[in-house]
Amino acid sequence: DAGVTQSPTHLIKTRGQQVTLRCSPKSGHDTVSWYQQALGQGPQFIFQYYEEEERQRGNFPDRFSGHQFPNYSSELNVNALLLGDSALYLCASSSDRGRETQYFGPGTRLLVL
Amino acid sequence: GQSLEQPSEVTAVEGAIVQINCTYQTSGFYGLSWYQQHDGGAPTFLSYNALDGLEETGRFSSFLSRSDSYGYLLLQELQMKDSASYFCAVRDVSSGSARQLTFGSGTQLTVLP
Repeated sequence: DAGVTQSPTHLIKTRGQQVTLRCSPKSGHDTVSWYQQALGQGPQFIFQYYEEEERQRGNFPDRFSGHQFPNYSSELNVNALLLGDSALYLCASSSDRGRETQYFGPGTRLLVL
Repeated sequence: GQSLEQPSEVTAVEGAIVQINCTYQTSGFYGLSWYQQHDGGAPTFLSYNALDGLEETGRFSSFLSRSDSYGYLLLQELQMKDSASYFCAVRDVSSGSARQLTFGSGTQLTVLP
């Protein structure tokens, strides 16, 4: 069982650019959540996708958007990158009918210069 | 909104027992989770408490007191590999069906030989 996978593992961008991060959930999971983790901090909830729709959104600007595909995989897009967007971006999958456990992927480390 | 407090650092020796406390403020509390994250790795689920009391899983136990808005993670027979960051996370009614987690800032546990 392949667990949660994310790509790319690392990314370097410059201010103003746009980035797309990808996530494949654990087999059998239908729900994908995205979190941003700054250095030395806990993950912060960005949004969650279920049935190809954004179900809940955290306190992030509209520059952060996402998508979920019919196979449950998901993308996180960030436009007009700022230096402060540099962080580890984590994807977590879960089953909507399952238990509380969220399974996290290894993350994409984004550096904005 | 929600807020969680946990110590930033804890140090202990191999074989010892360590307790990591977490206090939270939230509305319509559902449950308290604990996650472990090694440097550069993904957060991994350790435990979840929805009701008062102690949950035991091997060397790790987690406790919750809803009336005190307090919980702790207890690690016994510490091993070097337990050196990691530990996060408490809460889910409250505002997360609805999304089961959105709000994380604390994490406790860096260092296990010394």
